[in-house]
Amino acid sequence: GAVVSQHPSRVICKSGTSVKIECRSLDFQATTMFWYRQFPKKSLMLMATSNEGSKATYEQGVEKDKFLINHASLTLSTLTVTSAHPEDSSFYICSARDRGSTNEAFFGQGTRLTVV
Amino acid sequence: GDSVTQMEGPVTLSEEAFLTINCTYTATGYPSLFWYVQYPGEGLQLLLKATKADDKGSNKGFEATYRKETTSFHLEKGSVQVSDSAVYFCALSDITSYDKVIFGPGTSLSVIP
Repeated sequence: GAVVSQHPSRVICKSGTSVKIECRSLDFQATTMFWYRQFPKKSLMLMATSNEGSKATYEQGVEKDKFLINHASLTLSTLTVTSAHPEDSSFYICSARDRGSTNEAFFGQGTRLTVV
Repeated sequence: GDSVTQMEGPVTLSEEAFLTINCTYTATGYPSLFWYVQYPGEGLQLLLKATKADDKGSNKGFEATYRKETTSFHLEKGSVQVSDSAVYFCALSDITSYDKVIFGPGTSLSVIP
């Protein structure tokens, strides 16, 4: 099946710094990608929908200035956590939908962010 | 808006026991339904799916049937193994919600020898 690659898988950063997470669709083009956040022992909460060539659509309660999303090409979306704080520590997962064949959503491996 | 409800667990079973994880949904449109599995420390994997009423999704011995009349998509397996220990998420995707995947809270399953 289609592959979505997310990088890095783990990152530790200091409070106040910014961290960029990449999400790539490896063998299909994705006009839309989704970013989720998972708290420990909790479900995945949709943060935003990333649209190629236009602004992302954020879910209610998600700070768009803190979680910057860029979808510059049909195979790459990035999530930048700006001025990170310990409460931003979480597991972030991206998803891309392969509309060309199965219209199925494929998920990246996730990124474990720890802010110290 | 669309939502998914599932039994949260944790569920602990002995090896070879029968598994049922209940899932119900609310949707304004006609959604596709999914079960995803997350093994410890890993991302999500699609376990099975169904796209229309009465469809049965199946994979690795797991099954779920799309029941439109009861808005349910219960996950079952006749004989669980220790390797099935994971968190299971019921989910839906609806074109009226721009194809976002909406997840239930997840059910943690532990299978003991």
